[in-house]
Amino acid sequence: DSGVTQTPKHLITATGQRVTLRCSPRSGDLSVYWYQQSLDQGLQFLIQYYNGEERAKGNILERFSAQQFPDLHSELNLSSLELGDSALYFCASSVSGAKNQPQHFGDGTRLSIL
Amino acid sequence: GNSVTQMEGPVTLSEEAFLTINCTYTATGYPSLFWYVQYPGEGLQLLLKATKADDKGSNKGFEATYRKETTSFHLEKGSVQVSDSAMYFCALSEVPRGSGAGSYQLTFGKGTKLSVIP
Repeated sequence: DSGVTQTPKHLITATGQRVTLRCSPRSGDLSVYWYQQSLDQGLQFLIQYYNGEERAKGNILERFSAQQFPDLHSELNLSSLELGDSALYFCASSVSGAKNQPQHFGDGTRLSIL
Repeated sequence: GNSVTQMEGPVTLSEEAFLTINCTYTATGYPSLFWYVQYPGEGLQLLLKATKADDKGSNKGFEATYRKETTSFHLEKGSVQVSDSAMYFCALSEVPRGSGAGSYQLTFGKGTKLSVIP
């Protein structure tokens, strides 16, 4: 158990819809990361937050947004969903986001767009 | 930019065989290096890490040495078990070119699927 909790485990929805994925980091971790895992693209970094502030952006679409709340949990919002958004979405956390700190991953949310 | 190249899988080995999964990287700076393992239906788990040249990370019989001169971080295990069957990901942590200081990101290889048969 990594200590990172993601909900829900599975989401099935239709094109054009909007969903929210939730992540609770390990106790004491201030930095939260979101990743997308798909068969064709592999693991892609989306966005990072540190103590409530956005710190880095990766390959995140404009239809996607995220935030980190004062209690340090984070939400990833995906809107105007397309078939190609079907993927596993992982949240990870680390203590401060330093280079040599490993990131600890949740079990992911599997998003299926019908 | 930063990138990680792993050997293509799948890799199928018999129990007690020797394992090597090759990993090479390209980085803009001096990255930290990691191996993660993913079992079916689960998230990624840190297997081992190394943060500077010639460091050897080790865990559960797996080892990898940070080779700066060859920009490599190959994963090895002397005797694999059926329970080692999983996806293995090599990753580096560094700031992408053009990003702000402190914005370290993990860049992953595509993963190598290992199957160990009894």
